[in-house]
Amino acid sequence: DTEVTQTPKHLVMGMTNKKSLKCEQHMGHRAMYWYKQKAKKPPELMFVYSYEKLSINESVPSRFSPECPNSSLLNLHLHALQPEDSALYLCASSLFFWGATNEKLFFGSGTQLSVL
Amino acid sequence: GQQLNQSPQSMFIQEGEDVSMNCTSSSIFNTWLWYKQDPGEGPVLLIALYKAGELTSNGRLTAQFGITRKDSFLNISASIPSDVGIYFCAGPLGGATNKLIFGTGTLLAVQP
Repeated sequence: DTEVTQTPKHLVMGMTNKKSLKCEQHMGHRAMYWYKQKAKKPPELMFVYSYEKLSINESVPSRFSPECPNSSLLNLHLHALQPEDSALYLCASSLFFWGATNEKLFFGSGTQLSVL
Repeated sequence: GQQLNQSPQSMFIQEGEDVSMNCTSSSIFNTWLWYKQDPGEGPVLLIALYKAGELTSNGRLTAQFGITRKDSFLNISASIPSDVGIYFCAGPLGGATNKLIFGTGTLLAVQP
């Protein structure tokens, strides 16, 4: 199993809604990542978890709240988002934290989020 | 901030043609990754390079780690319609977090 699975595939939410994005991998990877990608732009790092602990927060607004319940799961809780937060949200994983070992990074298919 | 610049920005070619694209940085990198992204999907890793001068192939794709360590190249031979997508290079930023950053992307369109 070499997959990173993200749900839902698409999400439309209002600015007052609370929703969550989910990510799962069963490759035994100990590092998991959230990226945000605007159309025709490269992915931008948001958060890194290493051994289920938050290692990097790229100054992301608090309306985005990550959670890593166990080594296979990564969630991104969304609350009071703005229309400019509409983007493709990508989850990724690597065997160990990329910063330490230059491991290969594997991505999920992403959640296309639209905030109305 | 640090940026990886990819060239060309976009390419429109005929099926069967060979393709070349590159990625350049103002800083030295010790790893280069090449990804392909289809519309509405996540990036898929194509090739990883870890050593200056390294030349690595994956089917019709060949990538090279530039000897200056400031650039990398990706070639696609005999392109087919399913090669369509955006190609990103990526490399570690260095410093305390060694964050992986992505290039600006090359959009490839293949005319059957």
